[in-house]
Amino acid sequence: EAGVTQFPSHSVIEKGQTVTLRCDPISGHDNLYWYRRVMGKEIKFLLHFVKESKQDESGMPNNRFLAERTGGTYSTLKVQPAELEDSGVYFCATTHFNTGELFFGEGSRLTVL
Amino acid sequence: SQQGEEDPQALSIQEGENATMNCSYKTSINNLQWYRQNSGRGLVHLILIRSNEREKHSGRLRVTLDTSKKSSSLLITASRAADTASYFCATDSTSGSRLTFGEGTQLTVNP
Repeated sequence: EAGVTQFPSHSVIEKGQTVTLRCDPISGHDNLYWYRRVMGKEIKFLLHFVKESKQDESGMPNNRFLAERTGGTYSTLKVQPAELEDSGVYFCATTHFNTGELFFGEGSRLTVL
Repeated sequence: SQQGEEDPQALSIQEGENATMNCSYKTSINNLQWYRQNSGRGLVHLILIRSNEREKHSGRLRVTLDTSKKSSSLLITASRAADTASYFCATDSTSGSRLTFGEGTQLTVNP
């Protein structure tokens, strides 16, 4: 069975540009989470989908970040316009149940110059 | 300070030695989990301990949980060079399902 897949693995963009990160969950996993790790700091929660609905988006830093999960399958996280402080590794994690083990993708490293 | 704080921040040991990492948290939890991240890779789940459990074993891993002190420890016995990675504890609170991570402990096992 395929794991959580994230694309791109690394993106380098200029400040002010737009980037869209994608996450394909494990089949059947209704719960999808986005996390971010900046500069080797703690891994911070961004938001949680249950199927296509946003269950909790309290961790989204500001309105430059937009997450979608149309149809309850893959999810995208768009940053527009990107700022220098958005650089970091964005992780997607999914699970069937809303408690317990999370299955992580390998992350999308974003570098904003 | 953050829920799920690990210490030490970095630990360097020789192969064959035991490695102990600690985690403290602030709010009431349902369970506590430990994850490992190899450089440039995703996080991999190691073990989950529920709030009503005090100790759990999995292979060379031993996890303890002290809810009165709001702390947990992860012990890796007979360490190997392949254990070199960052280790994170993560908690989910009684008020929600999302996991809260700390900054992690970077473990280096020297051959």
